[in-house]
Amino acid sequence: GDQVEQSPSALSLHEGTGSALRCNFTTTMRAVQWFRKNSRGSLINLFYLASGTKENGRLKSAFDSKERYSTLHIRDAQLEDSGTYFCAAEDTNAYKVIFGKGTHLHVLP
Amino acid sequence: GPKVLQIPSHQIIDMGQMVTLNCDPVSNHLYFYWYKQILGQQMEFLVNFYNGKVMEKSKLFKDQFSVERPDGSYFTLKIQPTALEDSAVYFCASSLRGYYAEQFFGPGTRLTVL
Repeated sequence: GDQVEQSPSALSLHEGTGSALRCNFTTTMRAVQWFRKNSRGSLINLFYLASGTKENGRLKSAFDSKERYSTLHIRDAQLEDSGTYFCAAEDTNAYKVIFGKGTHLHVLP
Repeated sequence: GPKVLQIPSHQIIDMGQMVTLNCDPVSNHLYFYWYKQILGQQMEFLVNFYNGKVMEKSKLFKDQFSVERPDGSYFTLKIQPTALEDSAVYFCASSLRGYYAEQFFGPGTRLTVL
């Protein structure tokens, strides 16, 4: 099975509301990155965490290696937040990241 | 933030031809990666490269694929010969270290093999 399971696969939010994306890992991961793919297809780095939580504006991310999950919280969603969000976990035994399948976020007016 | 550039943004070639995808990584980074994303599918790791050598590669990194970074210039992915199933977006990434290191991604090169 997939080592990185991302949920939900799609999410619709009204402007001003919030929600959380989650990635579960089947093994212990060293670190996690969160990205947003913008309308031009570019991967924009949001967070990199080896542990704990980080916050940037309306986004907050947490990573618990022992419990094997990471979350990305979005609050006060804006139209420009629409896009596809990916988590990517750094494999403990390798020099690579393993991507989740992505969450398609659609922020509605 | 740090930027990774990829050239070209889109390449169309005939099956059987050779193609070279170019990546200009972040200037002080030492580790380089290629990822492949077929339309509608997950992004998949292909290869990473450090100090002139392939450190790790996946099953997707076929014998027709090769990577190099001659004299600190572009980090390249060469496919020779290309096959129809090579059509995908190829993302290059770089990082300062191999572990506990944020990877920075380029915008991708869309390769279409006809």
